[in-house]
Amino acid sequence: DVKVTQSSRYLVKRTGEKVFLECVQDMDHENMFWYRQDPGLGLRLIYFSYDVKMKEKGDIPEGYSVSREKKERFSLILESASTNQTSMYLCASSLLPYSPLHFGNGTRLTVT
Amino acid sequence: GQQLNQSPQSMFIQEGEDVSMNCTSSSIFNTWLWYKQDPGEGPVLLIALYKAGELTSNGRLTAQFGITRKDSFLNISASIPSDVGIYFCADQIDMRFGAGTRLTVKP
Repeated sequence: DVKVTQSSRYLVKRTGEKVFLECVQDMDHENMFWYRQDPGLGLRLIYFSYDVKMKEKGDIPEGYSVSREKKERFSLILESASTNQTSMYLCASSLLPYSPLHFGNGTRLTVT
Repeated sequence: GQQLNQSPQSMFIQEGEDVSMNCTSSSIFNTWLWYKQDPGEGPVLLIALYKAGELTSNGRLTAQFGITRKDSFLNISASIPSDVGIYFCADQIDMRFGAGTRLTVKP
């Protein structure tokens, strides 16, 4: 089974802090994704990557950046956390472009 | 980009009842995916649909790809408490998700 691991289940950060959310997958998948989940809005795509060193903006990239130095690891970075970035963050991977996603269990981030 | 409208937003049903939810798109889709998110976990793929008119079952779950290619339906028969969760439709090409249907099943 594919395992997508997010390093933290819960995080509490202060406004203005730089925040790193880490995600690792163990199935040699090419593609990795970051979503945020908010009640009533579903999952919204922040960034995705189809290869090492490659990144593409999703629907809501503002306030975020990403890093993919190794194939198995995809990091989401909040350069200066704000309260409106309080949310559940979900990482996912897929074997091929346009194949179904495998998700991690999420990181619930609270920015105070 | 294209929008996915999922309804209903939430459902409260009695164990044993059947459930139906749907998703519509503002544009034509080539695939429809249905995911389920259990409380405290990430979404997991339930059913994938690749052809207009396709009807696919997975146990008590049945999903259909609408003939117009702009909608899809997910039905759950004889619901049980472990059906509780949030159900999402999704577009595989643009990787967009609907807002979800939150299902509560009363024993």
